[in-house]
Amino acid sequence: DGGITQSPKYLFRKEGQNVTLSCEQNLNHDAMYWYRQDPGQGLRLIYYSQIVNDFQKGDIAEGYSVSREKKESFPLTVTSAQKNPTAFYLCASSGGGTSGAYNEQFFGPGTRLTVL
Amino acid sequence: KNQVEQSPQSLIILEGKNCTLQCNYTVSPFSNLRWYKQDTGRGPVSLTIMTFSENTKSNGRYTATLDADTKQSSLHITASQLSDSASYICVVRNQAGTALIFGKGTTLSVSS
Repeated sequence: DGGITQSPKYLFRKEGQNVTLSCEQNLNHDAMYWYRQDPGQGLRLIYYSQIVNDFQKGDIAEGYSVSREKKESFPLTVTSAQKNPTAFYLCASSGGGTSGAYNEQFFGPGTRLTVL
Repeated sequence: KNQVEQSPQSLIILEGKNCTLQCNYTVSPFSNLRWYKQDTGRGPVSLTIMTFSENTKSNGRYTATLDADTKQSSLHITASQLSDSASYICVVRNQAGTALIFGKGTTLSVSS
């Protein structure tokens, strides 16, 4: 079964703790993305990676970090520096590259993070 | 500034009725526009993509239109079903492929 998986589905964190959200894809996509979704707001880009061992900041990268050691995996760490981390986090992947302007972004099922 | 505005913010309709969702954008130069459906607590799923030269595209009961001159798109849902209850998100990409702008979505509730 091809697709994107995110784990866990629900995550609870105490203030001051770092937490890592998992994202794995077996679509052989080059590009991967992390978005944050808050009620009443559009998706906002946190980080993206177009190739292994390379990633770029999105619009709201502060308080987050990522790694891309493997093509299939793009974990997101929410650090204690993120002031308001409670949100729904979505991972996506696409074929990537500037020639892929029509490439659809396929989304994972999301992780809901709640800070207690 | 690149923006995507969707209306209405929310909509409630009876099962079997039709409805139309609107998307206005200021992204320029324009490459393409996608409509996504997002069920509650799930990731968005693409319904259709519209390019500059396309006016209408259908996917089952979903029909998207695009007017590139006025920078407007609509998503028409025919004979709504309870399973159509979801958030519908309009996403516009610029020609360089460097920006993907998401609208805030329209929440549709279909009741029996």
